[in-house]
Amino acid sequence: KNEVEQSPQNLTAQEGEFITINCSYSVGISALHWLQQHPGGGIVSLFMLSSGKKKHGRLIATINIQEKHSSLHITASHPRDSAVYICAVLRLTNFGNEKLTFGTGTRLTIIP
Amino acid sequence: NAGVTQTPKFQVLKTGQSMTLQCAQDMNHEYMSWYRQDPGMGLRLIHYSVGAGITDQGEVPNGYNVSRSTTEDFPLRLLSAAPSQTSVYFCASSLLTGGRKLFFGSGTQLSVL
Repeated sequence: KNEVEQSPQNLTAQEGEFITINCSYSVGISALHWLQQHPGGGIVSLFMLSSGKKKHGRLIATINIQEKHSSLHITASHPRDSAVYICAVLRLTNFGNEKLTFGTGTRLTIIP
Repeated sequence: NAGVTQTPKFQVLKTGQSMTLQCAQDMNHEYMSWYRQDPGMGLRLIHYSVGAGITDQGEVPNGYNVSRSTTEDFPLRLLSAAPSQTSVYFCASSLLTGGRKLFFGSGTQLSVL
């Protein structure tokens, strides 16, 4: 079982719909990142969070440390939101350094 | 402020050839790293560095070398390319404190024939 699991793997929705992408992890973490990868390939950091909730424009990220779960929500979705959304967790290793482990991503397609 | 500059964007190699992927950042980030992205798999860490003169291996280091002689530059060397190294490569950097927000290069699509 992967340390980081994302669901769904693929999501197609109509413009304007409320979108939820989920990330579950199996290890203790110090932080969780949400990244966006556009069709051109570039990767952009959306959020870094270690507790609670963050909001940026139409994007909202939440994390529940006890349940080892995070969600990324997109309100009033738009075709330009079409991208792959990647969850990554940051944790301390046994050797005292920090390690990032990535999920395989959720491919979101918003239809006009 | 250019962020993370990664070159080349595309490269085709023959098996056994060597090459260097370049990565430079102008944000004075201590942490720099190289990842490869393969279909159906998450980004996997190849090598990373927490400062000039300090490098360490990630999950998939075999066949790759790195060095960090300056804070700005972190090149990735393929010593003898193999078809299994066909992938998309990303360089990323961050501070070591303050949340570790990652900044990515634009990626290199490498094909090894």
